Amino acid sequence: GAGVSQSPSNKVTEKGKDVELRCDPISGHTALYWYRQSLGQGLEFLIYFQGNSAPDKSGLPSDRFSAERTGGSVSTLTIQRTQQEDSAVYLCASSLNAPQGSNTGELFFGEGSRLTVL
Amino acid sequence: DAKTTQPNSMESNEEEPVHLPCNHSTISGTDYIHWYRQLPSQGPEYVIHGLTSNVNNRMASLAIAEDRKSSTLILHRATLRDAAVYYCILRGSRLTFGEGTQLTVNP
Repeated sequence: GAGVSQSPSNKVTEKGKDVELRCDPISGHTALYWYRQSLGQGLEFLIYFQGNSAPDKSGLPSDRFSAERTGGSVSTLTIQRTQQEDSAVYLCASSLNAPQGSNTGELFFGEGSRLTVL
Repeated sequence: DAKTTQPNSMESNEEEPVHLPCNHSTISGTDYIHWYRQLPSQGPEYVIHGLTSNVNNRMASLAIAEDRKSSTLILHRATLRDAAVYYCILRGSRLTFGEGTQLTVNP
């Protein structure tokens, strides 16, 4: 596609349920990032992928959070046993290069997935 | 991670220039300075980036201090559509976004 695509755009779930959020990056982009943004707050880094591997997953807030990326393309962020504090907009971004790449590595963001945990 | 410091908010009038400052005193030699902005209910969008020299593009200009410990994003003529949160980040680490600067543009 032309840009980063995320789904679902909105998800309402009950506390304790598992949710999966999907990110389809721009074709050919090797680096993929997940961020979380709570209402009125800045972006909180969660994890980044270079290809299918995740060199930095230190931003994941707990072991209820996991992410995978297959085929160097689509990524899924999974939140198990959701809690109300997980409510936020989850943003995905992709770029051509990893952070230590030598050129611009401009990030392209999706529109986000808004998660509401009741 | 190298961190950036920005004012929480700034205000400008339409058609006037806006200078948005960013301090990054712990920047390393390989860190690019990137600016993004986030309009309400949208994901962030790229504005401009630079390493050492000042940069211009169709959206803005980026002025980088000689010691690279600070930079300034310049919007030459603010419009109402420029009202957004502007983030200054250092590209070369985990891409940590700070709280950004909320820019208000008055008609």
